[in-house]
Amino acid sequence: NAGVTQTPKFRVLKTGQSMTLLCAQDMNHEYMYWYRQDPGMGLRLIHYSVGEGTTAKGEVPDGYNVSRLKKQNFLLGLESAAPSQTSVYFCASSYRIQGLRNSPLHFGNGTRLTVT
Amino acid sequence: DQQVKQNSPSLSVQEGRISILNCDYTNSMFDYFLWYKKYPAEGPTFLISISSIKDKNEDGRFTVFLNKSAKHLSLHIVPSQPGDSAVYFCAASGGNAGNMLTFGGGTRLMVKP
Repeated sequence: NAGVTQTPKFRVLKTGQSMTLLCAQDMNHEYMYWYRQDPGMGLRLIHYSVGEGTTAKGEVPDGYNVSRLKKQNFLLGLESAAPSQTSVYFCASSYRIQGLRNSPLHFGNGTRLTVT
Repeated sequence: DQQVKQNSPSLSVQEGRISILNCDYTNSMFDYFLWYKKYPAEGPTFLISISSIKDKNEDGRFTVFLNKSAKHLSLHIVPSQPGDSAVYFCAASGGNAGNMLTFGGGTRLMVKP
């Protein structure tokens, strides 16, 4: 039972380069999310999606774009990476919108991104 | 300004003793609170939650207490085990934040054998 799978696990980018982080879930969840985790800052929501073909901004969306072309996949793009985007990125999914009772987030194992 | 704060970055406890992890919040409209546990190189996993209509919720060795007047919640682990060593995040939702979760910065718990 794979749950939420993120690729790649690690990546080093130079400033200005672009990349796409991939997230796939096999739980048929409608809702998917991208978070970043920084020391002492907890998890901050970048973008999220409430269903196939939809996306919305979270708390820290600047510098990122997302797409949800298929229900099971949620892609996070960095068009021009900056050192401030060095972080650990987590994808998550949920059956109903997060924050509702009995709808916990299911997280992937993260992507550690370093921008030099 | 962080609306959910975990003021202790780390906590060390002896195996078998009680672990108490604390979390404070500033938004009085929050009405649902959760704790997530995270091991190294893994994603967070849901641990326990509590609604604002309750002041306590228990699940095995884990109990969450909510003090709404103090805007404070705590997670008690009794007895603590070495396998509980992890980073614990509290999170809250409700009010003008809607259903989106606001996370605290995390507390690293180390349970020594």
